[in-house]
Amino acid sequence: DAGITQSPRHKVTETGTPVTLRCHQTENHRYMYWYRQDPGHGLRLIHYSYGVKDTDKGEVSDGYSVSRSKTEDFLLTLESATSSQTSVYFCAITMAAGNEQYFGPGTRLTVT
Amino acid sequence: QQQVKQSPQSLIVQKGGISIINCAYENTAFDYFPWYQQFPGKGPALLIAIRPDVSEKKEGRFTISFNKSAKQFSLHIMDSQPGDSATYFCAASTSGTYKYIFGTGTRLKVLA
Repeated sequence: DAGITQSPRHKVTETGTPVTLRCHQTENHRYMYWYRQDPGHGLRLIHYSYGVKDTDKGEVSDGYSVSRSKTEDFLLTLESATSSQTSVYFCAITMAAGNEQYFGPGTRLTVT
Repeated sequence: QQQVKQSPQSLIVQKGGISIINCAYENTAFDYFPWYQQFPGKGPALLIAIRPDVSEKKEGRFTISFNKSAKQFSLHIMDSQPGDSATYFCAASTSGTYKYIFGTGTRLKVLA
């Protein structure tokens, strides 16, 4: 998994609770991404980061926020989880924009 | 214009046969076209990628064919094996940008 870990790997939470997912990389890559994967939709970008404290929105960013205080860590927060956020979440990294992208093992989140 | 259309959604191939998955795009600014392989419960893994300066790239049993004028690219898996049974995603990106657009995936099953 290209030196990428995600935690937790599985989580069940209730509607309305806050949830934070963590992505950690050991490759010192500049670009980090959060995607969600849902049947019939493929992979959709939630947020991405192009450096420490530099982040921007993807195509499905509503209801999500991110933070990156260190090169190696990228956090995804659901401020108030909803059932529509039940999904598998993948973190990814690249050395430079538009180049090879490598994915972590994923976090399966269920919001009841 | 940002979409990448992938077909078929699912594919069943006999062992030893050729698996062919197709993708089409509209944005002529795309210049990087990777394919990913994903097994159940795992993150997508980069399989092979091509840039538009070549029409074909081969790595072992996997070949990407690229048709710039038709704005199409395809993955060919020669001598398909049961171990190739997985979901395959195409994607497209533009150098210097953060955005990777993914197809919706093809579930391949290779019968023993």
